[in-house]
Amino acid sequence: EAGVTQSPTHLIKTRGQQATLRCSPISGHTSVYWYQQALGLGLQFLLWYDEGEERNRGNFPPRFSGRQFPNYSSELNVNALELEDSALYLCASSLSGAPYEQYFGPGTRLTVT
Amino acid sequence: AQSVTQPDIHITVSEGASLELRCNYSYGATPYLFWYVQSPGQGLQLLLKYFSGDTLVQGIKGFEAEFKRSQSSFNLRKPSVHWSDAAEYFCAVGESDKIIFGKGTRLHILP
Repeated sequence: EAGVTQSPTHLIKTRGQQATLRCSPISGHTSVYWYQQALGLGLQFLLWYDEGEERNRGNFPPRFSGRQFPNYSSELNVNALELEDSALYLCASSLSGAPYEQYFGPGTRLTVT
Repeated sequence: AQSVTQPDIHITVSEGASLELRCNYSYGATPYLFWYVQSPGQGLQLLLKYFSGDTLVQGIKGFEAEFKRSQSSFNLRKPSVHWSDAAEYFCAVGESDKIIFGKGTRLHILP
């Protein structure tokens, strides 16, 4: 069974640009979670999607947004990139109603120059 | 809001020695507690979790953790570490349908 996949593996952008990160959950999982892992800040919860709806959001500005598609894959968009957005972005998935049984993907490393 | 504290940023142990990684949490009720491991360039892998019941939890790769309510702790242990255990370890707590992570402890193994 395939795990959570994320693309691209690495992404390099310049300040002010937009970045789009993608995540495909484990087959059968309908919930997708996004986390930011920045140097020195640990893992911080960004967004949670379930059944196509945004269910919860962490303490991040509105330029961090996303969506979940009918096939349950998800996209994270970061607009007006700032240098401090450089981080590893991790996606996780779970069955609906099982938010504490999350399986993580390998992450997308975003570098903003 | 709940929080998780991992007081040790780095820990170094010799291969074959025992290991204990510390974790303290703040939460009023019985929490959902987790330990994850992240190897270089990898995502997170769940080592073990505590939801209720027996306070000594067994996980994968020979790890165990003990929930101590009186000390608000959930320390991770392994009797004998292997070089492949070198990684970053995250303690986490579940709150409001999301997982809150500590800042991690990086484990270094001496040959």
